[in-house]
Amino acid sequence: DAGVTQSPTHLIKTRGQQVTLRCSPKSGHDTVSWYQQALGQGPQFIFQYYEEEERQRGNFPDRFSGHQFPNYSSELNVNALLLGDSALYLCASSLGLEQFFGPGTRLTVL
Amino acid sequence: SQQGEEDPQALSIQEGENATMNCSYKTSINNLQWYRQNSGRGLVHLILIRSNEREKHSGRLRVTLDTSKKSSSLLITASRAADTASYFCATGNTGTASKLTFGTGTRLQVTL
Repeated sequence: DAGVTQSPTHLIKTRGQQVTLRCSPKSGHDTVSWYQQALGQGPQFIFQYYEEEERQRGNFPDRFSGHQFPNYSSELNVNALLLGDSALYLCASSLGLEQFFGPGTRLTVL
Repeated sequence: SQQGEEDPQALSIQEGENATMNCSYKTSINNLQWYRQNSGRGLVHLILIRSNEREKHSGRLRVTLDTSKKSSSLLITASRAADTASYFCATGNTGTASKLTFGTGTRLQVTL
């Protein structure tokens, strides 16, 4: 049984560009959450998707948007990238209370 | 913003010793979860404890929760070099899958 998978592993972009990150949840999980983890910090909640709708959102600007597909996979889009968006982006899937994380996508904005 | 803090920020012990990490949080919770992270990779789920529970065990892990003090502790017994990682506590405030609010983490170094 595959766990949570994310792609790509690493990504380098320049300021002002747009990026799309992808996540496939653990088999049977219907809820996907996205987190941003800056270096040396704990993860910060971006938003959560359930039944293809955004159910909760953290304190992130509208430049951060997402989508969930009928197969429960999800995308995170970030527009107009800033240097401060450089971070590890983590996807987590869940069916109940426990959230299981993928390996993350390391985004570097130059 | 972070929900709380782990204490200590860093901990160095020798293999075979026990490691204790503490987590404090600010608001009422439904559950608290502990995660391990190796070298900036994904988080590995260790254990979940609900607000009506006081203690849980899983292998070499023991977690306690004191909701009156808004604190939790993670004890790793008989530590191994492979336990070297950062450990985070995360709180959930509802009884359904909800956002997790993470602490700042404890960096554990286990030396031979």
